[in-house]
Amino acid sequence: AQTVTQSQPEMSVQEAETVTLSCTYDTSENNYYLFWYKQPPSRQMILVIRQEAYKQQNATENRFSVNFQKAAKSFSLKISDSQLGDTAMYFCASTGGGADGLTFGKGTHLIIQP
Amino acid sequence: NAGVTQTPKFQVLKTGQSMTLQCAQDMNHEYMSWYRQDPGMGLRLIHYSVGAGITDQGEVPNGYNVSRSTTEDFPLRLLSAAPSQTSVYFCASSPLTSVLTDTQYFGPGTRLTVL
Repeated sequence: AQTVTQSQPEMSVQEAETVTLSCTYDTSENNYYLFWYKQPPSRQMILVIRQEAYKQQNATENRFSVNFQKAAKSFSLKISDSQLGDTAMYFCASTGGGADGLTFGKGTHLIIQP
Repeated sequence: NAGVTQTPKFQVLKTGQSMTLQCAQDMNHEYMSWYRQDPGMGLRLIHYSVGAGITDQGEVPNGYNVSRSTTEDFPLRLLSAAPSQTSVYFCASSPLTSVLTDTQYFGPGTRLTVL
């Protein structure tokens, strides 16, 4: 069974700062994908970034980037120049356990302070 | 193109009542799934379907039934609601070819309270 662990229940930073959210996972699969989802107060699940395990290059999407350490099974999310609109729950998730979808971590509540 | 829609948005039930949460998508996605989200627990998979007529259990299937008679619809049935089923329910869909490699498309969620 896959597991995804997010060890930071809540984080708070000032606007414009850089923040890193941690995620570790455990899987026996050889090929899998990792995701970060954002869930604002509206409850909508929004994909932030994804990473294929076979690719060594870290994924980047504008202000969002990941630090993917395959051997350590670590997949952290870095948000640069944080904005008030980044305030949300952030979920790390992985695939690879067959067609039964995503395995999610418990989430990190990120608060951006003005 | 409405994406994934869920009805109702909110529902309050009494213990023992039954109800169906509706989910529909207009993207012709073969894969559909149901998750529940509890505080401090993240999202957990209840049931999923890889096409019309095919369903399977996820991590937490007990107390829930599903069926898939059409590609578009994937209803979730609670036969006898219990307070432990108080949660936010999300439906998601994706093309079968990318269910493991790309994002799933989530509906807006249904907040269910069982008294």
